[in-house]
Parts: sequence; structure tokens; C-alpha cells
Amino acid sequence: GENVEQHPSTLSVQEGDSAVIKCTYSDSASNYFPWYKQELGKGPQLIIDIRSNVGEKKDQRIAVTLNKTAKHFSLHITETQPEDSAVYFCAAMNSGGYQKVTFGTGTKLQVIP
Amino acid sequence: GAVVSQHPSWVICKSGTSVKIECRSLDFQATTMFWYRQFPKQSLMLMATSNEGSKATYEQGVEKDKFLINHASLTLSTLTVTSAHPEDSSFYICSARGWEAEGTQYFGPGTRLTVL
Repeated sequence: GENVEQHPSTLSVQEGDSAVIKCTYSDSASNYFPWYKQELGKGPQLIIDIRSNVGEKKDQRIAVTLNKTAKHFSLHITETQPEDSAVYFCAAMNSGGYQKVTFGTGTKLQVIP
Repeated sequence: GAVVSQHPSWVICKSGTSVKIECRSLDFQATTMFWYRQFPKQSLMLMATSNEGSKATYEQGVEKDKFLINHASLTLSTLTVTSAHPEDSSFYICSARGWEAEGTQYFGPGTRLTVL
């Protein structure tokens, strides 16, 4: 089955700096890669996603890059703000069956004011 | 759009009782719904996948007789934890996927279950 690794597990940045979270996946059949933000006591919220036919996608301060050959994808947050503090999960989805999503282990991002 | 709700948001029950958690897609029809369990500071663990009108598919190690899932309509799925024990205490989260956004799952706010 799919295996998704995520690094780092914790990340502290100063407000205004950039944050980068990296993930690798194992199943070459995976073709959809969402990123979720989870605040304490809440469900995950989709913040951006990318499909395998695209190498990069940007939405305001958030961008995601995908390298299919190397099987890795990254989340980039620029001009970080305290409200960006949360746990971020990357995920990869296979293309068959019930399209089960496999999650990374999460990154706790702390933005220091 | 793409809002998923869960009810209740938290529940406390006595050991041996059953608890039902509802998951609703409010503004879209969910062809598939997923139930996850999350322990503190850990990632989401998929418990089961259900399609409307058919039996749920459970992940390995998840007891289907203990975690009953019913996906009776395109907007509602329920998870019933039967004969709950303290080790069932956890954060349960559902997600839903519709026809229009293939692959995109939208998550509910989660339900905190505490079994005394």
C-alpha cells in the first residue's frame, strides 16, 4: 500500500518568514495530493491540492510543488502569520477502488510573533 | 460550499453503552464517506469507507461489529460505537467526497468521545 512520510514533525518560524514542509510517497499510482490544516480540537481543513499532471500550484501565500519522478511534494507558506500555527498534514491518494487517502504523520507549525 | 457537519461535537458515556455519531454533507451529495480515528498528536487513521446504499469496507484491524457504519442516504452516514470501553475514547472524524470534486475529501469538525 501507499506510504507517506512527512518532515519535519515540528517547525518554528518567525512571523513573516517562510515555512516549508516536505513529503514523500511510495506508490507511483498516486495522482492526487491534498494538504490539510488542522487546528486543535477541529477537523482537518483542505488548504490546497495538486494533481499529478501539474508541477506547481499557488494560492496567495500558499504553494505546493510536485516532483513525480522523485515522488515528493512540498508545501510552501510565505509571509507566515500567527494564525498559520496549526498541524499540517500532507496526503496522497491512489487512483483505484474507493480512492483511499493516505496521510502523512503531520507537522506542527508554530509561528512566533 | 462543501461543508460537512458532525453531531455531536463531544460525548461522554459510560462503559458498555453505545454511542451514535452522525456525519452530514450539507451542500453536496456525498457518494462516499470515510470515518477516521485520531489519537492525540497523531495522524488520522482510516477506519472504514462507505458508499451510499452498500456495506462499509473496513480497514484491517477495525472490528466491524464494534464500529457499525450506516450510509443510508447521499447526505448522511452514521458511526455507532457499540459496547464502548475506555480504550475507544478518541477523536472521530468523518469526511465526504462528492461527484463533482473527484478525489477531494471534505472533513467534518470531529467528535470527541470519552468513555468512562
